[in-house]
Amino acid sequence: DTGVSQDPRHKITKRGQNVTFRCDPISEHNRLYWYRQTLGQGPEFLTYFQNEAQLEKSRLLSDRFSAERPKGSFSTLEIQRTEQGDSAMYLCASSPKGGRALSNEQFFGPGTRLTVL
Amino acid sequence: AQSVTQPDIHITVSEGASLELRCNYSYGATPYLFWYVQSPGQGLQLLLKYFSGDTLVQGIKGFEAEFKRSQSSFNLRKPSVHWSDAAEYFCAVDLYNNNDMRFGAGTRLTVKP
Repeated sequence: DTGVSQDPRHKITKRGQNVTFRCDPISEHNRLYWYRQTLGQGPEFLTYFQNEAQLEKSRLLSDRFSAERPKGSFSTLEIQRTEQGDSAMYLCASSPKGGRALSNEQFFGPGTRLTVL
Repeated sequence: AQSVTQPDIHITVSEGASLELRCNYSYGATPYLFWYVQSPGQGLQLLLKYFSGDTLVQGIKGFEAEFKRSQSSFNLRKPSVHWSDAAEYFCAVDLYNNNDMRFGAGTRLTVKP
């Protein structure tokens, strides 16, 4: 399977604990995105990388959140001191380098569902 | 404010009936436009996209969408719905260089036998 993969698929944690999610993009894609999706809402952009550089962060990404893509391949999203409001589906997507002349489709992974008790 | 609006939270149609899901956007320029589908427990799958050119776009699974600049709309249509089309549908816009994708809140489609 050459699609975007995410691990774990489900995570249950207690408030105050730290959690880390992993995303493996499609291998030839150099752009990687993280989104958060809460119940009844569409995905909300969190951050994106081009290769290993984190180029944009949403205001939704508080200082408890950190994302890395150290070698320009897989990425991790860490949430420190989790709160109940962090409960959501965390989606990862990847795309080839964009540009108005190119197809800018983002390919999504299945997501990691986080439940904070 | 810039936004993507899907006015219908939930739509129920009978199998074999036609379908139209509405999407309106509020941006100064014409963005790139997308429709995604999300089945329970699955990631989002792209149905179709519009960048420029012909305003009627064909996608996968028999879906099509029409861009209407005057109405700032990009409605999704299917002439005959199948039970497997039951899912959540999201309209999305991308203003610039694929790093600012905004999604609507989604429309949940239920298909009656």
